[in-house]
Amino acid sequence: AQSVTQLDSQVPVFEEAPVELRCNYSSSVSVYLFWYVQYPNQGLQLLLKYLSGSTLVKGINGFEAEFNKSQTSFHLRKPSVHISDTAEYFCAVKLGGSNYKLTFGKGTLLTVNP
Amino acid sequence: SQTIHQWPATLVQPVGSPLSLECTVEGTSNPNLYWYRQAAGRGLQLLFYSVGIGQISSEVPQNLSASRPQDRQFILSSKKLLLSDSGFYLCAWSVGMNTEAFFGQGTRLTVV
Repeated sequence: AQSVTQLDSQVPVFEEAPVELRCNYSSSVSVYLFWYVQYPNQGLQLLLKYLSGSTLVKGINGFEAEFNKSQTSFHLRKPSVHISDTAEYFCAVKLGGSNYKLTFGKGTLLTVNP
Repeated sequence: SQTIHQWPATLVQPVGSPLSLECTVEGTSNPNLYWYRQAAGRGLQLLFYSVGIGQISSEVPQNLSASRPQDRQFILSSKKLLLSDSGFYLCAWSVGMNTEAFFGQGTRLTVV
């Protein structure tokens, strides 16, 4: 079964600083990878996804992530964060093939301070 | 365009009372439907998913059940709520297998 590990439960940064949120997955088969953002008391919004092709994917709000198959990682990055990026971020994986299940990590709370 | 509706937004229920949360999707046909529960610090736990009317897969044994009476309707139920059923419940949909899921706004359930 697939699993997702988000290595940091909380990441505090200052405004305009770069940030990296780490995500590792475990799977011996091909995977599809996603990052979602959740603002307080709201549902999840898709930031970006990796299905195939280029390993560097760009998403909304200036975020990007790189799929690294050898390290089984899909880290999320942003070169300069804003106060409005404060939210919880979830990494998720879906196995390739006949699989409908989307498995989530436990989330990383990003807090951007002025 | 596709939209997902989930209600109510908040709910406070006494222990032992029944539960019914409803989710509907508009603008798409034969979606895959999901119920997740979110507890603080524990991420999202997949409770049920459905790939068609009457087809329900349960991920964890629990005090809850799900039904899909219509193509775009997914209902989460319980006959008798427990304190441990408190949490934030999220409905989601997707189309096909290798695609992302889209989430509703969630229901905050507090069992007292």
